[in-house]
Amino acid sequence: DADVTQTPRNRITKTGKRIMLECSQTKGHDRMYWYRQDPGLGLRLIYYSFDVKDINKGEISDGYSVSRQAQAKFSLSLESAIPNQTALYFCATSETGGSETQYFGPGTRLLVL
Amino acid sequence: QKEVEQNSGPLSVPEGAIASLNCTYSDRGSQSFFWYRQYSGKSPELIMFIYSNGDKEDGRFTAQLNKASQYVSLLIRDSQPSDSATYLCALLPYAGNNRKLIWGLGTSLAVNP
Repeated sequence: DADVTQTPRNRITKTGKRIMLECSQTKGHDRMYWYRQDPGLGLRLIYYSFDVKDINKGEISDGYSVSRQAQAKFSLSLESAIPNQTALYFCATSETGGSETQYFGPGTRLLVL
Repeated sequence: QKEVEQNSGPLSVPEGAIASLNCTYSDRGSQSFFWYRQYSGKSPELIMFIYSNGDKEDGRFTAQLNKASQYVSLLIRDSQPSDSATYLCALLPYAGNNRKLIWGLGTSLAVNP
């Protein structure tokens, strides 16, 4: 089945460490997104990419960076993790010219100590 | 005013009843509207999307769109305990090439056996 996968699924790290969250998809979609979700704050967009050469900041990009290595791969990096980056992180994909429906990966639960 | 507003709930209904979830929005030019279901700790899953005024039915779910009054609703008939989840409303704005979904904070639904 065409799918969106995220690795790792859970991660505990310490303040100041650099970490990378990875997203891969087999849906053939060109658009990819990174969100974080915190209780009571909903889904907040960190970065999005509409094709391999296109990277855009979302509403909360500070402290994060991304890399679109291929159409199917979109990675999120926390350069120097801090405790308030503790959250549930989701990758999503969608297709240009389609309904703009976004399909989500299973999420990565990140704890920064 | 937030772009997409949902009552946070919790909305509590007995098993077998109709659950009615509402979402209002501020941008009159919004094109498409999406309902997602999210179980605790899991990723959002698409229930359905709607872009024309009126009703759209899919099994036990009916989406209702009223662009003049700027609201979209989701009705769940014969509610089951397995429907207990948070329901997210999202919309696609009209203007611009870099359009992306705008999300509400979600309504928590509890279906009581």
